[in-house]
Parts: sequence; C-alpha cells; structure tokens
Amino acid sequence: QQPVQSPQAVILREGEDAVINCSSSKALYSVHWYRQKHGEAPVFLMILLKGGEQKGHEKISASFNEKKQQSSLYLTASQLSYSGTYFCGTESLSSVLRFGAGTRLTVKP
Amino acid sequence: GAVVSQHPSRVICKSGTSVKIECRSLDFQATTMFWYRQFPKQSLMLMATSNEGSKATYEQGVEKDKFLINHASLTLSTLTVTSAHPEDSSFYICSARDRVLTELFFGSGTQLSVL
Repeated sequence: QQPVQSPQAVILREGEDAVINCSSSKALYSVHWYRQKHGEAPVFLMILLKGGEQKGHEKISASFNEKKQQSSLYLTASQLSYSGTYFCGTESLSSVLRFGAGTRLTVKP
Repeated sequence: GAVVSQHPSRVICKSGTSVKIECRSLDFQATTMFWYRQFPKQSLMLMATSNEGSKATYEQGVEKDKFLINHASLTLSTLTVTSAHPEDSSFYICSARDRVLTELFFGSGTQLSVL
C-alpha cells in the first residue's frame, strides 16, 4: 500500500536539476510532497488533487498523472537548501496518507 | 500556517516503563490525527489513525495494547507506549489536519530511547 519512490538517493551540484518519482498500485485521490531535514519534522511542499495537475513552488514543481497513478517532483537549479529527504505521500479512498521510502537528496557546492 | 505541538521532544526511559506522548493542534480542530513511527534513515510508517471520540484505527502489525491512543478532544491526541522495551526506541511523530484532502501538519516529533 505504500507508494514506491525512485531514486533512493541522488547527489547534485548546485544549479543542477533532479526528478523524483512516486507511483502507487492503488487509485489515488491526492499526492503530497514533503521534505525532511535530519532530526526535524517533515515540511509540506505541495499537494496535488486532480489528475494532470501541476503545481509550482519557486523552483520546485510537481505533476500528477491520475491514470498512471504516478507523480513526479521536479527540482530545478537546485540550491544547497534543497538537501534533505523527500517523501511522497499518497492518499486513497480511506483518506489515510501513506509515505514512500524517501529520496535522499544531497546538493553540493 | 497551522501548528501542531508535540511533547516531549525527547524521552529516555527504563525498560518496562510507560511513556505518554502528547499531540495538540493549536489553532484548528483536528477530527483526525495520525501517528507515525520513523527509524533512522527510513520512511514514516503509519501506526494508527486517531479519531476524536472513537477508537483509533491501527495499521496491520501494530499492537493496540502496546501503543494506546486516546483522542479525547478535537485538539488533543495522546500515544502511550506501554511497558516499553529497547526495540520500541524510535522517532514518533504525529500529524493532523482539519479536513480531508488537505496538507498534513506535523508535530516536531518525539525521540524515544528505551534503555
């Protein structure tokens, strides 16, 4: 029931781009994206509610393909502050949010 | 934005004792709160869904008698780890929202260490 995230880890140089994918075997009502820094609580990035919806937040955006039950998070021109572990959370009919295993992103100068 | 307060942030206890963790929504009413457990460098694993005024819904494999959840009001849910053992040591984090299909607001988490 947990969504599957890929890749598990990615290392970038400042200014480079990255894509994190999230897929589910169940029909989805929403997809959430959060970023967590070591020892801290997850921080909300965005939520996608409709199939085909794309949202942007500065240089971080995401898409949601409802038919394929997939979502992707796009990080462009990465900054050092983008480092952390990114989790996608998927919500189905039960209205319970379950998280993927996470993608550890490291941005180096 | 909405704030969820979680206490304590860190607790160290002896094996066999019980530990209570509180989760409060400070500026909204949360009919549903969620309790997650996270091991180092791993994902947030849902333990249970806490419903105000009714019994919690536990995920498969989570012991109800071990992890007691009480959601006595629209702003407070508690998780009690009973007769804690070293394998219960983990990061416990609560979250809440005021309605479905909206973002979750997370507490700051509780690092439990059982000696």
